[in-house]
Amino acid sequence: AQSVTQLDSHVSVSEGTPVLLRCNYSSSYSPSLFWYVQHPNKGLQLLLKYTSAATLVKGINGFEAEFKKSETSFHLTKPSAHMSDAAEYFCVVRPSGGGYNKLIFGAGTRLAVHP
Amino acid sequence: KAGVTQTPRYLIKTRGQQVTLSCSPISGHRSVSWYQQTPGQGLQFLFEYFSETQRNKGNFPGRFSGRQFSNSRSEMNVSTLELGDSALYLCASRPGQGENEQYFGPGTRLTVT
Repeated sequence: AQSVTQLDSHVSVSEGTPVLLRCNYSSSYSPSLFWYVQHPNKGLQLLLKYTSAATLVKGINGFEAEFKKSETSFHLTKPSAHMSDAAEYFCVVRPSGGGYNKLIFGAGTRLAVHP
Repeated sequence: KAGVTQTPRYLIKTRGQQVTLSCSPISGHRSVSWYQQTPGQGLQFLFEYFSETQRNKGNFPGRFSGRQFSNSRSEMNVSTLELGDSALYLCASRPGQGENEQYFGPGTRLTVT
């Protein structure tokens, strides 16, 4: 069975400092991996996706993630946090072979950004 | 293009009642999926519809059902509501071809009392 584990439920950073949100996945095959962000009272917005092309994936708003097969990780990073980055972030895996819409979500990491 | 819209945005129901939630996908998108989000269980896949046919289903009881219309709009129904059905219900759409990412609506917040 495929699954994702987000290693931190809460992360707090100061504005202008780097952001690291950690995600490990479990998959029998090469997975498709995503990071979504959810702002309060809003739907989910796709930040970036990995689909077996380049292992370093660049997304919107300065975020990027690196797929490391040997470590089964897909950590999300940003060099410099902005106040507007405060939100909940979800690491997501899509099962391989059919069920393209059946996304499996991690538990989420709430990011707080302090002035 | 307008995004995914969901109605209503907020709903309060009593245990034992039934409820219908509506989702209008992005124009041209033929696939609609539904997810339930709760503090305890997180985000869980309910079902997916494509061209009026259910293609995938998550591990939810039969009280949860859905359908899709010829214009790709979708409805989700929950019968005999339980307190545990209180959640944010999210709808997502995609064009339906290839491995396109999903676009999510703002959700319907259902409270069961």
